[in-house]
Amino acid sequence: NAGVTQTPKFQVLKTGQSMTLQCAQDMNHEYMSWYRQDPGMGLRLIHYSVGAGITDQGEVPNGYNVSRSTTEDFPLRLLSAAPSQTSVYFCASSYGTGRYGYTFGSGTRLTVV
Amino acid sequence: GNSVTQMEGPVTLSEEAFLTINCTYTATGYPSLFWYVQYPGEGLQLLLKATKADDKGSNKGFEATYRKETTSFHLEKGSVQVSDSAVYFCARPGAGSYQLTFGKGTKLSVIP
Repeated sequence: NAGVTQTPKFQVLKTGQSMTLQCAQDMNHEYMSWYRQDPGMGLRLIHYSVGAGITDQGEVPNGYNVSRSTTEDFPLRLLSAAPSQTSVYFCASSYGTGRYGYTFGSGTRLTVV
Repeated sequence: GNSVTQMEGPVTLSEEAFLTINCTYTATGYPSLFWYVQYPGEGLQLLLKATKADDKGSNKGFEATYRKETTSFHLEKGSVQVSDSAVYFCARPGAGSYQLTFGKGTKLSVIP
């Protein structure tokens, strides 16, 4: 029972570099989301998807891209990393709308220097 | 908008003390309400939920009752343990219902 798997767990980037945070779920969930967690800010929604081929922006989308080519995978791309993107990133999935709650991955801790 | 407000932390309690963490929500419709827990170095885990007014969610000795009259969903536990030390988040569905809106989290430390 893998649930939601995120890789890598830790990453250090230099300013201007790009990278992709991977997220995969094996529960056949339609809904997937990316959140970032910062001290004193709680969790903020970056992007979300309601199914393969369908994505939309959340509260803080700037500097990030997503795509959803399959039900299982929902990668998050940082186009040109900035120190302000230093954060812990969580991927989450749900079989229904937010009404049913989400299952979270264990997170990726990203540092941009 | 769809928001939740929870009490600021940190909260430090002695083992076996009573815990209350307050959470209120904006009253747009009758949303499902959730408490999530985040142990150090881990992701968020669903602790309990309630889907309609007067429902009581419970798990691992924690309880929360959906109070429509006071738009509240306070988390309680009668006797906390050191292993309950974690950050607790109150949450509700956000705009469009496809995502969750979280409170800012309350850090609980339980000392022996």
